[in-house]
Amino acid sequence: AQSVTQLGSHVSVSEGALVLLRCNYSSSVPPYLFWYVQYPNQGLQLLLKYTSAATLVKGINGFEAEFKKSETSFHLTKPSAHMSDAAEYFCAVRVSSYKLIFGSGTRLLVRP
Amino acid sequence: EPEVTQTPSHQVTQMGQEVILRCVPISNHLYFYWYRQILGQKVEFLVSFYNNEISEKSEIFDDQFSVERPDGSNFTLKIRSTKLEDSAMYFCASSVGTENQPQHFGDGTRLSIL
Repeated sequence: AQSVTQLGSHVSVSEGALVLLRCNYSSSVPPYLFWYVQYPNQGLQLLLKYTSAATLVKGINGFEAEFKKSETSFHLTKPSAHMSDAAEYFCAVRVSSYKLIFGSGTRLLVRP
Repeated sequence: EPEVTQTPSHQVTQMGQEVILRCVPISNHLYFYWYRQILGQKVEFLVSFYNNEISEKSEIFDDQFSVERPDGSNFTLKIRSTKLEDSAMYFCASSVGTENQPQHFGDGTRLSIL
């Protein structure tokens, strides 16, 4: 069965430091992968998507993710964290024409 | 930027009562979805809807649940006889297509069953 795993329920970084949020997937076919962000009391906002056009995907707010088939990974990075990046981040994989399955989420804390 | 809107933001209902959660998808989107997130758990797919019929549903989406597009703009989720375990955040989403087209989510309705 297809699945997505996010390592680390909480990640804490200092403002200005590199952000790395990990996502691994299992899929029997080339996957469609997504990262979403959820700010407090808000819905899921699309950060970026991988659709096989390019392995390095750029998203909003300076985030990017690299698809590595050999590692079945789609980790999210940002070179320099801002306080406003504090939120929960979800990796998701499309497992049918319609259905997304989500990882358990990683809460990013940014220290001043 | 167009967005998915959900009402109400918070719904409190007595166990056994019917509840309807409402959503207005993005206007040019054709595919509609409901997901839920029980506190502390993953976001789970419930159902997808296209061309006025259910295109896929999960095992969670049993006979207590139904969806409807009553007019050209609204998309609703009805729970016929609520249970305590239905307490969750319910998210509506829509997309212009499937496969590589992203789903855009609303802010959710927090449903509390007493």
